[in-house]
Amino acid sequence: GAVVSQHPSWVICKSGTSVKIECRSLDFQATTMFWYRQFPKQSLMLMATSNEGSKATYEQGVEKDKFLINHASLTLSTLTVTSAHPEDSSFYICSTSPSGHRIFGPGTRLTVT
Amino acid sequence: KQEVTQIPAALSVPEGENLVLNCSFTDSAIYNLQWFRQDPGKGLTSLLLIQSSQREQTSGRLNASLDKSSGRSTLYIAASQPGDSATYLCAVETSGSRLTFGEGTQLTVNP
Repeated sequence: GAVVSQHPSWVICKSGTSVKIECRSLDFQATTMFWYRQFPKQSLMLMATSNEGSKATYEQGVEKDKFLINHASLTLSTLTVTSAHPEDSSFYICSTSPSGHRIFGPGTRLTVT
Repeated sequence: KQEVTQIPAALSVPEGENLVLNCSFTDSAIYNLQWFRQDPGKGLTSLLLIQSSQREQTSGRLNASLDKSSGRSTLYIAASQPGDSATYLCAVETSGSRLTFGEGTQLTVNP
């Protein structure tokens, strides 16, 4: 079946640095990619929706200049957390719907020290 | 604004028990409702998807029902096993392919 991969699975970075998270669709093309953030013991919150070849649409309260999303190809979407701070530490998950059912990547655990 | 609530927040049962997880949503204008499973530190696995025109879906020991008019869904797990231990999330899809999630039910099945 359709699979979405994420890289890295976990990353630790220092405050002020930038981190790029990759989300790849394997064996299918993902026109639309959704990016979620999940804090401990909480549910998933949609951050932004990206469509291949166009600018991402960000949810209210999500800083587009801080969370840069690029969806340059039908198999790769990236989320870059710029100038990361400890409060950005979270679990980031991408998701797409190749055939109606929503599938999710395995997630990336970001810890900012 | 759509809000999704799941009850209970946590549930611990002995192996073999049948159990029910509840999900409610405030806006009945949904396209579908989906139940997911999330293991610690992992992504989500889709369990069942119920279209707005459907009332239930079954897969193995899992049965999900949907009452759109009352804004409720239940996930029934029969003959629970320790391997069923995980967090179960329900989510409703509304316009713009937007998924709104509940906060989940953390299930522990004790051997």
